Amino acid sequence: EAGVVQSPRYKIIEKKQPVAFWCNPISGHNTLYWYRQNLGQGPELLIRYENEEAVDDSQLPKDRFSAERLKGVDSTLKIQPAELGDSAVYLCASSYYRGGDYNEQFFGPGTRLTVL
Amino acid sequence: GQSLEQPSEVTAVEGAIVQINCTYQTSGFYGLSWYQQHDGGAPTFLSYNALDGLEETGRFSSFLSRSDSYGYLLLQELQMKDSASYFCAVGGGYQKVTFGTGTKLQVIP
Repeated sequence: EAGVVQSPRYKIIEKKQPVAFWCNPISGHNTLYWYRQNLGQGPELLIRYENEEAVDDSQLPKDRFSAERLKGVDSTLKIQPAELGDSAVYLCASSYYRGGDYNEQFFGPGTRLTVL
Repeated sequence: GQSLEQPSEVTAVEGAIVQINCTYQTSGFYGLSWYQQHDGGAPTFLSYNALDGLEETGRFSSFLSRSDSYGYLLLQELQMKDSASYFCAVGGGYQKVTFGTGTKLQVIP
């Protein structure tokens, strides 16, 4: 079974430029997460989708970040315009949540963004 | 809000046992999980504790005390490949998962 796929793996852009990240979750997983991980820190949730619906986007800087999950499968995360402080690894994760108190998250390899 | 504290670095000898502690503060507790992340790699799930006590999975065990808001990850028979960062996290289900800052484990010969 294929894992979570993300692209690109690396991206270098100049500040004020736009950038987009793509994520393909594990087949059948209904929940998708975008995290940002700064160097030496733990992943920080940006947005969580249940199928097509964004159920938690409280940590998403909505002035410059946007996300979508079309048809409840693939997802894209966009930054426009990028700032120097956006340099980080952007991780996508997916899980199959069917109730209860926990659902294991499966992470993709991440996109390492460098803003110059 | 939710916050977690872990030691930033731990060094242990190959073949030994190491314990990585995690204390947390959270409003509404849904369990404590542990993830492993090698440098440049993706976090991978290790364990989850919803109830007090010890959960064992091979060389790894995880412990939870809800009354003390404390848990730990125990790694036995350390191998060089165990060198990685280990994150505790609270939350699950419909509750947002919050990760700690991570503990970098270095296993030395």
